[in-house]
Amino acid sequence: KAGVTQTPRYLIKTRGQQVTLSCSPISGHRSVSWYQQTPGQGLQFLFEYFSETQRNKGNFPGRFSGRQFSNSRSEMNVSTLELGDSALYLCASSLMEGDTQYFGPGTRLTVL
Amino acid sequence: AQSVTQLDSHVSVSEGTPVLLRCNYSSSYSPSLFWYVQHPNKGLQLLLKYTSAATLVKGINGFEAEFKKSETSFHLTKPSAHMSDAAEYFCVVSVADYKLSFGAGTTVTVRA
Repeated sequence: KAGVTQTPRYLIKTRGQQVTLSCSPISGHRSVSWYQQTPGQGLQFLFEYFSETQRNKGNFPGRFSGRQFSNSRSEMNVSTLELGDSALYLCASSLMEGDTQYFGPGTRLTVL
Repeated sequence: AQSVTQLDSHVSVSEGTPVLLRCNYSSSYSPSLFWYVQHPNKGLQLLLKYTSAATLVKGINGFEAEFKKSETSFHLTKPSAHMSDAAEYFCVVSVADYKLSFGAGTTVTVRA
């Protein structure tokens, strides 16, 4: 069974731009969570989606948003990029909410 | 609030010697605990998980962890380190609303 896939793997943007990251969960998994990883803050929870509904949100500004489609694929969007948004963004999927989460390889975002 | 503390930011071992990574957790009830590993420029891979079935949990690649409620610990061990074990290891607790809370990570270096 294929694992979690994330596209693109690498992105370079400039301040003020917006970006959309994509995540395809493991087949049959219905819950998708997003995390931000930075050297200074470590791994932080962004949000979680289940059945196309955002179920939980971490402590991030409104510039960070996401959505989930009927096939469980998910996208996250960051508007008005800031230098501090440079990070590895990880997506994880699980069969149901509360089940073990399996991570994708991440998208490395660099904001210049 | 539930959280985890990884007691060592860096551990260095010789190939063939035991590895011990220490993790303490705080929780108001019996938690779900995990260890994930992250190799350079890769996503997170699940090593093992504890969900109250057995206190000694066996994972992949020869790793195991013991849940000790009296000590609020969930230490990860491996009897014999291999060069391929060089990576960053995260102790993780599943908090309310299915969010994962990550420790700061322990970087393992394996000397030949």
